[in-house]
Amino acid sequence: GAGVSQSPSNKVTEKGKDVELRCDPISGHTALYWYRQRLGQGLEFLIYFQGNSAPDKSGLPSDRFSAERTGESVSTLTIQRTQQEDSAVYLCASSPPGTVSNVLTFGAGSRLTVL
Amino acid sequence: AQTVTQSQPEMSVQEAETVTLSCTYDTSESDYYLFWYKQPPSRQMILVIRQEAYKQQNATENRFSVNFQKAAKSFSLKISDSQLGDAAMYFCAYRSPPNKLVFGAGTILRVKS
Repeated sequence: GAGVSQSPSNKVTEKGKDVELRCDPISGHTALYWYRQRLGQGLEFLIYFQGNSAPDKSGLPSDRFSAERTGESVSTLTIQRTQQEDSAVYLCASSPPGTVSNVLTFGAGSRLTVL
Repeated sequence: AQTVTQSQPEMSVQEAETVTLSCTYDTSESDYYLFWYKQPPSRQMILVIRQEAYKQQNATENRFSVNFQKAAKSFSLKISDSQLGDAAMYFCAYRSPPNKLVFGAGTILRVKS
């Protein structure tokens, strides 16, 4: 597609439920990132996929968070047993193969509200 | 670990005036890139400008320019002739191998008409 697509745009869930957030990167982009942005705050790195390499999961805040990506296509971020502190906008970004100079293109984010 | 610090939570500027947003970073790497991203209320992150650390010349994109001081690890953004559409949250970001992009906490820019 022309841009990074994320769904759902907004998700309201009850505490304790599981949620899945989806990211469809730009075609041909081998790198994919997930970030979390709490209200009025900066972006927290969660996880990074680069091609077929092992993902960098160093930013995942707890074992309730996991993410998968099949090849260079869609990624899903799963949050199990959601807590109120999980409420945030979850941003996905992708970038083409190459060097560190490549710019990330961001999606519009998925806003998660845990009641 | 690399860190990015934006010491100004909020800034205001009069329309048509110039404003400078500050950013400092900490790294032991020699090869890296620095970015400024803009996030309007729509949530969409938009690249404003980027700077390669090996280049001494400051990057410029129309009304946006940077003051890159490598020794001081400083990377400020200057917006000239500010417009109402410039109002947004601005994030400074750092990236080096293995390619993780690290963001500062952001600066809210308000533009007064």
